[in-house]
Amino acid sequence: GAVVSQHPSRVICKSGTSVKIECRSLDFQATTMFWYRQFPKQSLMLMATSNEGSKATYEQGVEKDKFLINHASLTLSTLTVTSAHPEDSSFYICSARDASGRTGYTDTQYFGPGTRLTVL
Amino acid sequence: AQSVTQLDSHVSVSEGTPVLLRCNYSSSYSPSLFWYVQHPNKGLQLLLKYTSAATLVKGINGFEAEFKKSETSFHLTKPSAHMSDAAEYFCVVSERGQNFVFGPGTRLSVLP
Repeated sequence: GAVVSQHPSRVICKSGTSVKIECRSLDFQATTMFWYRQFPKQSLMLMATSNEGSKATYEQGVEKDKFLINHASLTLSTLTVTSAHPEDSSFYICSARDASGRTGYTDTQYFGPGTRLTVL
Repeated sequence: AQSVTQLDSHVSVSEGTPVLLRCNYSSSYSPSLFWYVQHPNKGLQLLLKYTSAATLVKGINGFEAEFKKSETSFHLTKPSAHMSDAAEYFCVVSERGQNFVFGPGTRLSVLP
């Protein structure tokens, strides 16, 4: 149980295009999902917190118009990187928090496998 | 506000020897504490979590951690390292189920 998937696992795009990354909780309901960014050999940096049915809360310094987050259901959140540039190249990881308690923990975050974005 | 310190950026052990990865935290409230492992180009896998029920927490793959409030520590240990344990390990603190605060990570190398 407590599986989180991300799609795609790897994406290469041209500068100026937009890229959508999906995050799904496969076997539990997640009222809250989180989006992180990780640079090589560094820790995770929280970008935004996504709550089902409401607007995402962005961390300081993260452009909400560039990183669009939609959390339309209890099992799906999407991150769209708009007008991507080479500096947006990074490893993006989502996590989901179990609201139902099926996993035994309601405050634990379960992480997806990550999406490697390369912008040429 | 909470914070996490992982004292070693890199730990190297020989296969079959014990592993100790250190973590200290600060928190204004009774925190939740987690250890996650990340293999190269992969997401994070939960190793174990501290709940208030027991100070010695057993996790997956033979790992365990002990919560010591007086020392504000939550060190991760394993009696015998395996080659497959080589990865990045993150200590995480959370207050009252709110946002996670990650430590900088410790890279574990296991030598044959």
